[in-house]
Amino acid sequence: QLQLQESGPGLVKPSETLSLTCTVSGGSISNSDYYWGWIRQPPGKGLEWIGSINYRGSTYYNPSLESRVTISGDTSKNQFSLKLSAVTAADTAVYHCARVNLIVAAAWWGWFDPWGQGTLVTVSS
Amino acid sequence: DIQMTQSPSTLSASVGDRVTITCRASHNISSWLAWYQQKPGKPPKLLIYKASSLESGVPSRFSGSGSGTQFTLTISSLQPDDFASYYCQQCFSYSQTFGQGTKVEIK
Repeated sequence: QLQLQESGPGLVKPSETLSLTCTVSGGSISNSDYYWGWIRQPPGKGLEWIGSINYRGSTYYNPSLESRVTISGDTSKNQFSLKLSAVTAADTAVYHCARVNLIVAAAWWGWFDPWGQGTLVTVSS
Repeated sequence: DIQMTQSPSTLSASVGDRVTITCRASHNISSWLAWYQQKPGKPPKLLIYKASSLESGVPSRFSGSGSGTQFTLTISSLQPDDFASYYCQQCFSYSQTFGQGTKVEIK
């Protein structure tokens, strides 16, 4: 059974860089059938896709966040990571990692399943 | 970006009620739509993909329909475990945008 678990600091200062890691168990991020993504949810609000990565390290980002986002993968540890720079209070959210089930093999988007539990990151001084 | 609009934002219902949630896309997304259920403090759980395909293990009282720009999630007989928030998500384009959510409350 595939499981994902986010980890990282729960508090980040404004203007600094948010860094999170997603550890995958029960399956491999080297599986070419899937992408792996990050989604966030501000408290009491809706869901926003941040970006995705595949087994070759190809990445795709939400255009609204692209200038500040970097997603990378470590197949030896079966992990992928998120870095979001120059954070503000607006970046306070629960950050989830998830597997992307592709709509077709050539796409890099699809539906998200399963999801990690999520980790709350608060941006505050 | 493709915008996804859900209605209603909040829905009050009783156990046993038939419940319908609507999701409208700003552009034609064919059948590339997913539905999720989310309970407080938990991650979203996939219910439906490709507009009408029921995810394995999801009760058959959940069903999805629609194509193009108009979609519905129906719960045929609301159960106590179904009081939660529900989100649609378009899978047609890389932006993978979500609806704003519908909260199903106890009447």
